[in-house]
Amino acid sequence: DIVMTQSPDSLAVSLGERATITCKSSQSVLYNSNNKNYLAWYQQKPGQPPKLLIYWASTRESGVPDRFSGSGSGTDFTLTISSLQAEDVAVYYCQQYYRTPPTFGQGTRLEIK
Amino acid sequence: QVQVVESGGGVVQPGGSLRLSCAASGFSFSNYGIHWVRQAPGRGLEWVAVIWFDGSNKYYADSVKGRFTISRDSSKNTLYLQMNSLRPEDTAVYYCARERNPELYYMDVWGKGTTVTVSS
Repeated sequence: DIVMTQSPDSLAVSLGERATITCKSSQSVLYNSNNKNYLAWYQQKPGQPPKLLIYWASTRESGVPDRFSGSGSGTDFTLTISSLQAEDVAVYYCQQYYRTPPTFGQGTRLEIK
Repeated sequence: QVQVVESGGGVVQPGGSLRLSCAASGFSFSNYGIHWVRQAPGRGLEWVAVIWFDGSNKYYADSVKGRFTISRDSSKNTLYLQMNSLRPEDTAVYYCARERNPELYYMDVWGKGTTVTVSS
């Protein structure tokens, strides 16, 4: 199975500041034939199900604010929130869908400093 | 409104069985693969199983293989997860989730989940 490792496990950022979460996969999730990275990001607020934020490593889901962006390729990926808002407090997960079983990172808890 | 709604959770003794359901609405159910993903208390997300849009393929996590069975009834727009030989480590919130495109296992529609507790 592909192991997904996120860092940090938790993060506290001031309102309006940038938040950066990294995700590393144990093998490349870049499919050479279409040059796409099979990597998604989800946001999970307390008591709620996960919400898809980003897929193909950098494509923002419809309705997701543009302060959320994804980048990276191969084995190293980043989720960036450019200006943290109070409603962004959540746990964030990366997930690879390059291979079955799809696997998630352990999650990064984002809080307000 | 596109949604999936899980039901069937509860408390069961170790070794027991439970069947979860996931009712879909607002989209063409037979065009989408559907997954089960679980989350143990205070833990992260764990993928459990998938059934393809046409039911032709089913895949399971190693942790549930041979004990859980995923199925779908397109006439009822409903997904099922039959869980047998339950263990305490199966205790979790179980979510059903729709995959955006066939065989691309990222999930764009999630239910609110149903809670399974395995305890004596």
